[in-house]
Amino acid sequence: NAGVTQTPKFQVLKTGQSMTLQCAQDMNHEYMSWYRQDPGMGLRLIHYSVGAGITDQGEVPNGYNVSRSTTEDFPLRLLSAAPSQTSVYFCASSMGETQYFGPGTRLLVL
Amino acid sequence: KQEVTQIPAALSVPEGENLVLNCSFTDSAIYNLQWFRQDPGKGLTSLLLIQSSQREQTSGRLNASLDKSSGRSTLYIAASQPGDSATYLCAVDNAGNMLTFGGGTRLMVKP
Repeated sequence: NAGVTQTPKFQVLKTGQSMTLQCAQDMNHEYMSWYRQDPGMGLRLIHYSVGAGITDQGEVPNGYNVSRSTTEDFPLRLLSAAPSQTSVYFCASSMGETQYFGPGTRLLVL
Repeated sequence: KQEVTQIPAALSVPEGENLVLNCSFTDSAIYNLQWFRQDPGKGLTSLLLIQSSQREQTSGRLNASLDKSSGRSTLYIAASQPGDSATYLCAVDNAGNMLTFGGGTRLMVKP
C-alpha cells in the first residue's frame, strides 16, 4: 500500500491564484481530513470528511473548499490564494482512531 | 475550546539519557490522546494512542501516560538515541478523529 499520498510537494502561488492540493489514500479509510501546520501553532484542522459525499468544517475553514466524490480522494481547493495561506498542508486518513498522515504540501503564496 | 500545550518547546540531551516530554490540555472530555513523531520535512507518524479509559501505553522504549482528570500526559523515552531526534507532537481527540494538536517539542539527542 502507498498509504496517504499528496501532490504537489511544493507550490508557489501569486495572490489571487487558485489551485487544488491533491490527497489520495489506498487503505479504504472512510475518514479523511486536512490540516495546516504553521510555525509555533501546531496543526489545525481545516476540513474533514466521514465518507464519500460528506464533508464538514474544522477549526480554520475560511478560504478553502473540499469535496469527497470517492472514498480514495479528498482534494483541497484554494479559490483565491492569500499570503496568510502560506503553510504546510497535511492530509490524513483513518478507519479507527489511529490517523495516517501524508508527507505534506509546502505552499508559498506571494 | 480545547487547548493543548507542550513543554518544553525544545530539548537537547546526551545519548543514553532517559527523558520526559509533557503535554497538558484544558478540556478533560476526550476520546483519546495520541503522540506523534515528525521528522524535518516529513509527515507525522503515530507513536502511541491512549484511550480515555486507559492510564498508559507502552511501545518499546516509549511509554505514554494519561491523567485525564488533571489534563496531563507524559511521553517517557528510555535510553535515548540520536535516531530519536525529531519533533514530538501531542494531540487530543475531542469529537471522534478531530484532533487538537500541541505546538510540539523539538528533541535533539547528541551522540
